[in-house]
Amino acid sequence: DVKVTQSSRYLVKRTGEKVFLECVQDMDHENMFWYRQDPGLGLRLIYFSYDVKMKEKGDIPEGYSVSREKKERFSLILESASTNQTSMYLCASSSGQGGGYTFGSGTRLTVV
Amino acid sequence: KQEVTQIPAALSVPEGENLVLNCSFTDSAIYNLQWFRQDPGKGLTSLLLIQSSQREQTSGRLNASLDKSSGRSTLYIAASQPGDSATYLCAVDAPGAGSYQLTFGKGTKLSVIP
Repeated sequence: DVKVTQSSRYLVKRTGEKVFLECVQDMDHENMFWYRQDPGLGLRLIYFSYDVKMKEKGDIPEGYSVSREKKERFSLILESASTNQTSMYLCASSSGQGGGYTFGSGTRLTVV
Repeated sequence: KQEVTQIPAALSVPEGENLVLNCSFTDSAIYNLQWFRQDPGKGLTSLLLIQSSQREQTSGRLNASLDKSSGRSTLYIAASQPGDSATYLCAVDAPGAGSYQLTFGKGTKLSVIP
């Protein structure tokens, strides 16, 4: 069964900490994505990557960075966590046009 | 800019009933439309993927249709069960500025009452 795996289901971090969210896919997909989901706001795209070492800003990149050193792994980095980054974070991958998207199980991040 | 609307926002039905969830989109130039299910606190599970050239897809008790020209899709659930209770999201994949444009609706929260 093909999968997108997010390393943590729940995380609690302190304000100002550097936070790493990891995502791994086993489908050899070119494209990977990071979203955050908040009540009333829906899913919002943070960053995406269409190739190793390539990245593109999404709709809300401020306060985040990403890293894609290997095709199967896409990391989201919160350089200095703030309470307004408390959210559900979802990773996804796709093969490209028409291929559909596969999502991970999500990471619920709480910043205190 | 593509906009995706899902109606209703919430729906409550008795077990065993057939039901339809609606999704509309504003720009018909799409690659595909995908229906997802999300349980509380969980990620998105793909239910059905309809390519722009297709009219419908079926999986078990689920049937999704696509009318690209009118910008509409429906998700039909037959003989609903309490386990179908979840939020259902539709998403449209379309050409955009750059290499990516996936637009989600806000979802329909379904409750199936035993």
